[in-house]
Amino acid sequence: AQSVTQPDIHITVSEGASLELRCNYSYGATPYLFWYVQSPGQGLQLLLKYFSGDTLVQGIKGFEAEFKRSQSSFNLRKPSVHWSDAAEYFCAVGEDTGTYKYIFGTGTRLKVLA
Amino acid sequence: DVKVTQSSRYLVKRTGEKVFLECVQDMDHENMFWYRQDPGLGLRLIYFSYDVKMKEKGDIPEGYSVSREKKERFSLILESASTNQTSMYLCASSSSDRDGYTFGSGTRLTVV
Repeated sequence: AQSVTQPDIHITVSEGASLELRCNYSYGATPYLFWYVQSPGQGLQLLLKYFSGDTLVQGIKGFEAEFKRSQSSFNLRKPSVHWSDAAEYFCAVGEDTGTYKYIFGTGTRLKVLA
Repeated sequence: DVKVTQSSRYLVKRTGEKVFLECVQDMDHENMFWYRQDPGLGLRLIYFSYDVKMKEKGDIPEGYSVSREKKERFSLILESASTNQTSMYLCASSSSDRDGYTFGSGTRLTVV
């Protein structure tokens, strides 16, 4: 069965520092991979997605993520964090089976220090 | 701008009430989903629908039902609300596996 693990429940970084949020998945084939961001009290917004091609994908708000098949990882990165990036971040995986269902990780809450 | 609209941001209901959560999308998407979100548990799929009048159980369907009479509207029904259904409920829609979901802003339901 598919699974998604986000090992870090909370991460705190200083404004201007770099950021990496970890995501590991368990799936037999190449999955569809997504990162979402959720601001307090809001729904989730899609940051970026990967399903084939270049393993480094660019998203909105200056985020990028790299798919590493050998490590079953899809880590999210940002070179310089802004205070407005404080939010909760979710990794998700979907199958190429037409089910349209995604499995979500439990989320990583990012705190940004001024 | 494409949208998924959930009719209520906050709801307070009494135990035993029948509760309707409404979701409307304007993107002509075939696929719609209801998730609940709880701290430390992430998002868990309750029900989803591939088409009008179609529905499929997700991972935690017990105590819930759904209705999809029109393509743009997907309703979640709590047949008899209980306190353990206090949660954030998120509706989403999609057109394909690859595109990702578009989420609504969520409904925070409190059952007292």
